[in-house]
Amino acid sequence: DQQVKQNSPSLSVQEGRISILNCDYTNSMFDYFLWYKKYPAEGPTFLISISSIKDKNEDGRFTVFLNKSAKHLSLHIVPSQPGDSAVYFCAANTDKLIFGTGTRLQVFP
Amino acid sequence: NAGVTQTPKFRVLKTGQSMTLLCAQDMNHEYMYWYRQDPGMGLRLIHYSVGEGTTAKGEVPDGYNVSRLKKQNFLLGLESAAPSQTSVYFCASSYLLGQNTEAFFGQGTRLTVV
Repeated sequence: DQQVKQNSPSLSVQEGRISILNCDYTNSMFDYFLWYKKYPAEGPTFLISISSIKDKNEDGRFTVFLNKSAKHLSLHIVPSQPGDSAVYFCAANTDKLIFGTGTRLQVFP
Repeated sequence: NAGVTQTPKFRVLKTGQSMTLLCAQDMNHEYMYWYRQDPGMGLRLIHYSVGEGTTAKGEVPDGYNVSRLKKQNFLLGLESAAPSQTSVYFCASSYLLGQNTEAFFGQGTRLTVV
C-alpha cells in the first residue's frame, strides 16, 4: 500500500512558467518531508524539505507547501528552467525514508 | 570527498546466480538504505540499517539479504537472482532520521538478470 503518492507521472511546462508538483500521503503521523531531484543515470539529490510545524519553506526558485489537514504537499518551481527537467520524488522521513513514485518534469523553451 | 560509492555500476547475471552489491560511505553516517527503482514504481526500500551490526526489512525485502559489519559499508546480497530483480539499485546514507536530515545517494547499480 503506497503511503506516499505522486499521482501525476509527468508534467510539461514552458520555460519561465510555474511548475507545480503534487504529493499526497496517508499517515498523519508523518512529520518531515523532503523533495529529491533525479537526472538520468545519476542518484537522487536532495532539493528541499519541510517540517510539519511549518506550512511553507522557500529556497530560491523552489517552494514547498504543506497542507496537513489534506495530507498534501506541493513543490513550486518559479520560474521553471530547462535544467529543471528531471524526475522529482517526494519522500516522508519517519523511521525510514519512504518515497513516492515520482513525477517527470519536462521544461521546454 | 567521495560521499556514497556503489560497486559495481553495471552487472548482468544469469538466473540463479548470486552476487553482492557494495555500498560505502565516508560521512560517518549511522543510517544506510538500499532501494530499487523500477519504471512507474518509484524508489522502493529493500532493507535499511540504523547502525553498525543492525539491519531491518523495508517494503520489498524478499530475495535479498544485507549485512552491516562495518559502519561505513552496507552490503546487499542476491542469493539466487531472478529476472524480477532486474532493476536499478540505489544505496543511500544519512546522519540520522527525523527533522532536518537528508539522505545522500550513490550513483546506482544497473542489474540485469537474464
